[in-house]
Amino acid sequence: QVQLQQSGPGLVKPSQTLSLTCAISGDSVSSKSSAWNWIRQSPSRGLEWLGRTYYRSEWYNDYAVSVKGRIIINPDTSKNQFSLQLNSVTPEDTAIYYCARGFDLDHWGQGTPVTVSS
Amino acid sequence: DIVMTQSPDSLAVSLGERATINCKSSQTVLYSGNNKNSLAWYQQKPGQPPKLLISWTSARQSGVPDRFSGSGSGTDFTLTISSLQAEDVAVYYCQQHYSIPLTFGGGTRVEIK
Repeated sequence: QVQLQQSGPGLVKPSQTLSLTCAISGDSVSSKSSAWNWIRQSPSRGLEWLGRTYYRSEWYNDYAVSVKGRIIINPDTSKNQFSLQLNSVTPEDTAIYYCARGFDLDHWGQGTPVTVSS
Repeated sequence: DIVMTQSPDSLAVSLGERATINCKSSQTVLYSGNNKNSLAWYQQKPGQPPKLLISWTSARQSGVPDRFSGSGSGTDFTLTISSLQAEDVAVYYCQQHYSIPLTFGGGTRVEIK
């Protein structure tokens, strides 16, 4: 069965970069029928989709306007995982971050609480 | 962006009674490829990620009890729990998977009366 395992630090300083990884088992990051998403959840913003990466003979990315210019989502085919990089973070980026598969999001990682604080 | 509006914000229902949650999209989410509405429902319990219950408006995921059902058309959708059980206490979210950005409703908290 598909499992997504997240890893990464839970505390990031303001202006620095938030980096998280989502390791995939039971599917392939290169699957031509899947997409790989990052979503965050906070009391102020609710559930907020951040972006996705997917492969359809070449790699594509889509990003939310709210984080465009600060976000990079990269696949790593050698490790069958994908990553989130969010630059220049502020306290408003404090949230629980999730990775998830698909368009309807049928499998989710366990979530990583991230606090942006000095 | 497609805005998803849920109602009510919270709901208290007696055990065994029906719970109904509404979701309205700001524009159509009808996917022409299969003529189905791209609307999903999730259940989230404390400390857990959201769990997909229903996709394409009414398609229950494997293992989801049949007391959960989804319906709707156009821009109005409904999640019904036909006979509320104690384990159904959670927050429920709708989400459109028609277009980017994927967007979610604000959530409906279901409690036992």
